Amino acid sequence: AQSVTQPDIHITVSEGASLELRCNYSYGATPYLFWYVQSPGQGLQLLLKYFSGDTLVQGIKGFEAEFKRSQSSFNLRKPSVHWSDAAEYFCAVGAGVTGGGNKLTFGTGTQLKVEL
Amino acid sequence: DTGVSQNPRHKITKRGQNVTFRCDPISEHNRLYWYRQTLGQGPEFLTYFQNEAQLEKSRLLSDRFSAERPKGSFSTLEIQRTEQGDSAMYLCASSPPSGGSTDTQYFGPGTRLTVL
Repeated sequence: AQSVTQPDIHITVSEGASLELRCNYSYGATPYLFWYVQSPGQGLQLLLKYFSGDTLVQGIKGFEAEFKRSQSSFNLRKPSVHWSDAAEYFCAVGAGVTGGGNKLTFGTGTQLKVEL
Repeated sequence: DTGVSQNPRHKITKRGQNVTFRCDPISEHNRLYWYRQTLGQGPEFLTYFQNEAQLEKSRLLSDRFSAERPKGSFSTLEIQRTEQGDSAMYLCASSPPSGGSTDTQYFGPGTRLTVL
């Protein structure tokens, strides 16, 4: 069965500093990988996804992630954090389900705090 | 698109009562998913519909839980004889009839259930 580990429960960075959120996955086949962000009172919003091809993927809001098969990792990065980036970030791996579609397995999340 | 909507946004109930939640997916999205998120955890997959057919259910979905999608549009999730352990955020997501295992799920804001 697939699994996702996000080793950092909380991270605090200063506004303008760079950010890296770690994600390690376990999956037997080619992984479909996602990063979502969740703000209080709002649903999960997709930041970026990886299916195949270029291992460095660009997402919305200036985020990027790099897929490293050898390390089973899919870390999320941003060169300069803004105060509005404070939220909870979830990494997920997708597995196919009967009839098509995609069952997501999420990590436990990383809560990002941004200091002004 | 108006996005995925869920009602109610909050529900407080007493143990032993039945509750029903509704999810309206993005129009023309034929795939619909239910997840449950408890405090400090990532969302966990509950069940999946393609059109009106319920194609997969998690072992997390006990006999007290039932989900329907009668006309392939909105879906309902009912919990009978609620228990305090059912307290959680119930998330709905939908995806279009395109990529199969690579499709992107769009999440609603969730229904927060509190069982007293």
